[in-house]
Amino acid sequence: GDSVTQTEGPVTLSEGTSLTVNCSYETKQYPTLFWYVQYPGEGPQLLFKVPKANEKGSSRGFEATYNKEATSFHLQKASVQESDSAVYYCALSDHNNNRIFFGDGTQLVVKP
Amino acid sequence: EAAVTQSPRSKVAVTGGKVTLSCHQTNNHDYMYWYRQDTGHGLRLIHYSYVADSTEKGDIPDGYKASRPSQENFSLILELASLSQTAVYFCASSVAGANYAEQFFGPGTRLTVL
Repeated sequence: GDSVTQTEGPVTLSEGTSLTVNCSYETKQYPTLFWYVQYPGEGPQLLFKVPKANEKGSSRGFEATYNKEATSFHLQKASVQESDSAVYYCALSDHNNNRIFFGDGTQLVVKP
Repeated sequence: EAAVTQSPRSKVAVTGGKVTLSCHQTNNHDYMYWYRQDTGHGLRLIHYSYVADSTEKGDIPDGYKASRPSQENFSLILELASLSQTAVYFCASSVAGANYAEQFFGPGTRLTVL
């Protein structure tokens, strides 16, 4: 079945340092890949999505490349800020029934 | 203005009691979903629906029922609440038929069963 595995958190960084959250997926189809972000007390919201292999998505300084050969979609940011503290979810779509499969989430804590 | 709203935002229930969580969307989306969130388990799908008066089981449906009386409304029902159902519950909606459709989430309901 479809599944997503991502870096186990929490990940604690200092402001200005770089971030990588690893995401690997398993599926027999050609999914759309997503990164969602969840701030404290809120529901998850879309950070960005990439529907095609070998393309890059980006938003708010975060980026990830859809690597079909490696089945990966790692999230990166060059310089994190305290306001980036949140839980980040990697996810893939199942086109057959409009479902999205989420990873377990990675909590990011950025210290000033 | 919020497109997906949930009520109540928090609730304390007693073991064995009945709990109903409500979700309303103004996105005009066909699909609606109920997830539960537990620390270390991310988001797990309980039930979903793609049309009014019809619901489908997700990955963890045991102990939960769902009701979709209209396109805009989707309820999650715990007939006999148990301690293990203490969690945060999220409702979401999405369009149908698009292979890149994102889901739009509500703010969540924190349920505590005592």
